[in-house]
Amino acid sequence: DAKTTQPPSMDCAEGRAANLPCNHSTISGNEYVYWYRQIHSQGPQYIIHGLKNNETNEMASLIITEDRKSSTLILPHATLRDTAVYYCIVRDRTGNQFYFGTGTSLTVIP
Amino acid sequence: DAMVIQNPRYQVTQFGKPVTLSCSQTLNHNVMYWYQQKSSQAPKLLFHYYDKDFNNEADTPDNFQSRRPNTSFCFLDIRSPGLGDAAMYLCATSTYSVTLHNEQFFGPGTRLTVL
Repeated sequence: DAKTTQPPSMDCAEGRAANLPCNHSTISGNEYVYWYRQIHSQGPQYIIHGLKNNETNEMASLIITEDRKSSTLILPHATLRDTAVYYCIVRDRTGNQFYFGTGTSLTVIP
Repeated sequence: DAMVIQNPRYQVTQFGKPVTLSCSQTLNHNVMYWYQQKSSQAPKLLFHYYDKDFNNEADTPDNFQSRRPNTSFCFLDIRSPGLGDAAMYLCATSTYSVTLHNEQFFGPGTRLTVL
């Protein structure tokens, strides 16, 4: 079952960085942090994942605290097309299951 | 392009009339998933296949069944749909590896309406 806590909604001004927090205080050493987003009426889309090091790709950056109990997804320059629900997922790398939490609905404002 | 395909995109059925949703993939992934997503809620995992091994979630109702005849195809059968089964049904695939991350690839979903 979902092991993450996220704020239900956030706003961000277009062109500014969007910082989406996630709490996963019960994470274990075998578990990765994944981020997906879901644009309205589409299937979820992978963004980024990490174990304990910070990660960056062409879409976003993932900052994981040293104790791994929380993380932040950073969209460096939010655009209107980034308006979506963002899901933080903790997944055991030895299993196949992904359990979605409630997610954060991000609205990028012009 | 390699992808996950769901047919149909929209399905209307009557209360109690069996319905089958289909999913196919060209990614040759060994894991296939079915999720149910109700309005304004997060996707809820119903079950998944790892190759031919079926893994049911403990709280998935018996009304929901699945078949995977081969690597490429997976079906969701709802034996007697109720009004509460109206939802978006999402299919996803991934590869399984302990050493590699297992990104899920999602299809566009099938929106089921029960009349």
